[in-house]
Amino acid sequence: QLQLQESGPGLVKPSETLSLTCTVSGGSISSNSCYWGWIRQPPGKGLEWIASFCYGANSYYNSSLKSRITISVDTSKNQFSLRLSSVTATDTAVYYCARPTAGVRGGGAWFDPWGRGTLVTVSS
Amino acid sequence: QSVLTQPPSASGTPGQRVTISCSGSTSNIGDNIVNWYQQLPGTAPKLLIYSDNQRPSGVPDRFSGSKSGTSASLAISGLQSEDEADYYCAVWDDSLDCPVFGGGTKLTVL
Repeated sequence: QLQLQESGPGLVKPSETLSLTCTVSGGSISSNSCYWGWIRQPPGKGLEWIASFCYGANSYYNSSLKSRITISVDTSKNQFSLRLSSVTATDTAVYYCARPTAGVRGGGAWFDPWGRGTLVTVSS
Repeated sequence: QSVLTQPPSASGTPGQRVTISCSGSTSNIGDNIVNWYQQLPGTAPKLLIYSDNQRPSGVPDRFSGSKSGTSASLAISGLQSEDEADYYCAVWDDSLDCPVFGGGTKLTVL
């Protein structure tokens, strides 16, 4: 059974870089179901997609965040990571990693499973 | 403002049937599959319905999804107290070339 778990600092200072890692268990990150994703949820608000990417292939980013996003993959640790630079208070949110089960395009909003999420607060 | 429009709230009494709507456009609901997520208080979203009307293993058949044109609906029959949660619709948008989520509907079981 595929499981995802986010990890990273819970507090980041304004203008610095937010770094999170998602550890995948129960399956290989470099399998043919290659797409993985990040989604966030500001406190008390709705869900916002950040990025969906395929190891070794295409990546898709939220246009409003694209210039600040870096995605990386460590196949040896079965992990993928998100870096979001120049953060402000508006980046405060629970960050989830999830698998876009049907890849991107037509079925690209079908995310399963999800990690439990990790709260990142941007504050000095 | 979300590309997909959901009512901010809905309510019902135990045993009732409630529906939650999700309104979009030809570039999203009208052309791609709709998915629904249930988010219980303090937990991560969970896939409830995929591909318009399919239930993942383990989801009770009290939950059903439908789609017509540029709108979709989630129906919950035999409402139970444990159904009290936030519900989100989600679909790929061809114009934005990204997945979009509805604003969410908070379901209260009275």
